[in-house]
Amino acid sequence: DAKTTQPNSMESNEEEPVHLPCNHSTISGTDYIHWYRQLPSQGPEYVIHGLTSNVNNRMASLAIAEDRKSSTLILHRATLRDAAVYYCILRESGTYKYIFGTGTRLKVLA
Amino acid sequence: DTEVTQTPKHLVMGMTNKKSLKCEQHMGHRAMYWYKQKAKKPPELMFVYSYEKLSINESVPSRFSPECPNSSLLNLHLHALQPEDSALYLCASSQTLGLAGSGETQYFGPGTRLLVL
Repeated sequence: DAKTTQPNSMESNEEEPVHLPCNHSTISGTDYIHWYRQLPSQGPEYVIHGLTSNVNNRMASLAIAEDRKSSTLILHRATLRDAAVYYCILRESGTYKYIFGTGTRLKVLA
Repeated sequence: DTEVTQTPKHLVMGMTNKKSLKCEQHMGHRAMYWYKQKAKKPPELMFVYSYEKLSINESVPSRFSPECPNSSLLNLHLHALQPEDSALYLCASSQTLGLAGSGETQYFGPGTRLLVL
């Protein structure tokens, strides 16, 4: 089974960039990399996804390593509202299932 | 409208009770999912429906019974639950089930927090 590994927690100062890493060394060639975040008492919220190329949207950027064994979610300017658990997710090869990583709890300091 | 709604928000039930969780979406999505999330853990997939038919049951005990009466609604019927079933139950939907490797995005509801006494 494909797996992702993430640091348990990270801290950032407000208005500074944040780089959230994820390792997925067993990723297959057709697995998309998804990132979701979960704020307290809410369901997971879509952030971004990609396959091979780096991706940007209004919320974040996703940098994918050339060998696709790791990726980094980049929040360009962290705000207090970005404090959440960030999940790196693979769609399992051969199925449609989301395989969640353990998540990184991001704390943003004012 | 990109919203998935779930009712109730909170539910307390005894081990002999029968209750149901409800999920609704009006995005025209044809795939719907139930997840279970224990405290400080990631969500775990329970069931998947595609075009109102059950596609996958992740070996969930029979005390959990899903139902998809139409393309917008998903229910989870609960009977004779155990205290260890206490968790946040999340519903999600996506446009279709998607093929392996497609970038299908899932939209999650806020969840129902269930406490079994």
